[in-house]
Amino acid sequence: DTAVSQTPKYLVTQMGNDKSIKCEQNLGHDTMYWYKQDSKKFLKIMFSYNNKELIINETVPNRFSPKSPDKAHLNLHINSLELGDSAVYFCASSRPLGGGLDTQYFGPGTRLTVL
Amino acid sequence: ELKVEQNPLFLSMQEGKNYTIYCNYSTTSDRLYWYRQDPGKSLESLFVLLSNGAVKQEGRLMASLDTKARLSTLHITAAVHDLSATYFCAVDVVGGGADGLTFGKGTHLIIQP
Repeated sequence: DTAVSQTPKYLVTQMGNDKSIKCEQNLGHDTMYWYKQDSKKFLKIMFSYNNKELIINETVPNRFSPKSPDKAHLNLHINSLELGDSAVYFCASSRPLGGGLDTQYFGPGTRLTVL
Repeated sequence: ELKVEQNPLFLSMQEGKNYTIYCNYSTTSDRLYWYRQDPGKSLESLFVLLSNGAVKQEGRLMASLDTKARLSTLHITAAVHDLSATYFCAVDVVGGGADGLTFGKGTHLIIQP
C-alpha cells in the first residue's frame, strides 16, 4: 500500500526529447509537489499544486510543466530535455495543518539521465 | 528569499558518541521539518516541529526548535552505525499554504564502528 508512487524509477533519454514522469498518492492529500535533487543532493522545490492553485518556482524553466488530471495525480512533463536536467525528481504530497503544512510524504524518486 | 543553512555538511563520528547537527534559517517560520535520506532512497520524515520550544525525541534522535533564534538542532545520542545517512532540515514560510519546503544542503553522517 504505497503512499506516494512514481513511474518510472529510472529514465534514460537523449537531449532534445520530451518525457513525462507520473506521480500518484493514495493518502487523500490536497497538495502535491515536485522537487529536484541534483548530483550534490541539493533539494529544490519546483512546483506545488492543489486543486485550486499552481505555484511555480520562478527558477524552473518553462520546459517543465506539471499536469494534474485529478487530486491524486501530479505528472511532470519535460520538453526539449537538456543535459542539466539530469537529476533525481521527487514527488511529494501533504495535507494542510492549520495554516501551514503537515509533513510531506515523498515518493521513491525518478532518476533522470539525459545523454 | 528564505535560506536554510545546515552545519556541518559532513560528519564522521564513532559509535557511542554524541553529536549535534544545526539548522539555521533566515526568515520567520514556526514550522521546521527533519528528514532522513539513505543512499539511493527517498526522504523519510523524522520530526515535525510546529512551535517555539518544541522538542521531539525518537530513539537516539532528539530535535528541538527555537523560533526566536531561528535555529533547530538534531541531537544524536550514543550513535550507532544504522544512523548513518544524510539528514535534511526544511522550513516552510509562515502561513505557507502550498509553497513547498526550502531545504538545507543536508548533513552527510557517517558513523563508524
